[in-house]
Amino acid sequence: GNSVTQMEGPVTLSEEAFLTINCTYTATGYPSLFWYVQYPGEGLQLLLKATKADDKGSNKGFEATYRKETTSFHLEKGSVQVSDSAVYFCALSNQAGTALIFGKGTTLSVSS
Amino acid sequence: DGGITQSPKYLFRKEGQNVTLSCEQNLNHDAMYWYRQDPGQGLRLIYYSQIVNDFQKGDIAEGYSVSREKKESFPLTVTSAQKNPTAFYLCASSPGTGLLYEQYFGPGTRLTVT
Repeated sequence: GNSVTQMEGPVTLSEEAFLTINCTYTATGYPSLFWYVQYPGEGLQLLLKATKADDKGSNKGFEATYRKETTSFHLEKGSVQVSDSAVYFCALSNQAGTALIFGKGTTLSVSS
Repeated sequence: DGGITQSPKYLFRKEGQNVTLSCEQNLNHDAMYWYRQDPGQGLRLIYYSQIVNDFQKGDIAEGYSVSREKKESFPLTVTSAQKNPTAFYLCASSPGTGLLYEQYFGPGTRLTVT
């Protein structure tokens, strides 16, 4: 079946450090891949997405590339800010496109 | 502003009582979803609806029920049959179903059952 595995957190960084959050997936077919962000006590916001192999999604300085050969969709940012502190979820669409399958989330904490 | 509203933000109930969580969207989206989030866990799908008057069970539908009488509304009832109802409940919508559509989430309702 479909599944998503994210690196365990929390990830603790200083402001302006480089961020990588690893995400690998198992899926049948060719799913779309997503990164969502959740701030404390709030719902999820779409951060970026990629719909086919080698696509790069980007938004607000965050990037992720859909790598079919390694079944990965790692999230990166060159210089994090305190305001980036949140929980980040990697997700994929099921084959019918009727649901998202989420990883367990990775908590990022950025200090000044 | 278009978006998804969920009310209330916090809800408290006694064990054995049914409770209904509200979800309204003004995005004119066809599809709507309910997810459950537990601490340290990802989201799990409870129910989804692709169109008015139609809905399908997700991975953890037992103890829950839904209705979709209007395009903009998709209420979730947590029944007394749900063994562990305390959780954070998130409603989402998308323009349709299919691989290209992302889902848009509401702010969530935190339900506590004692």
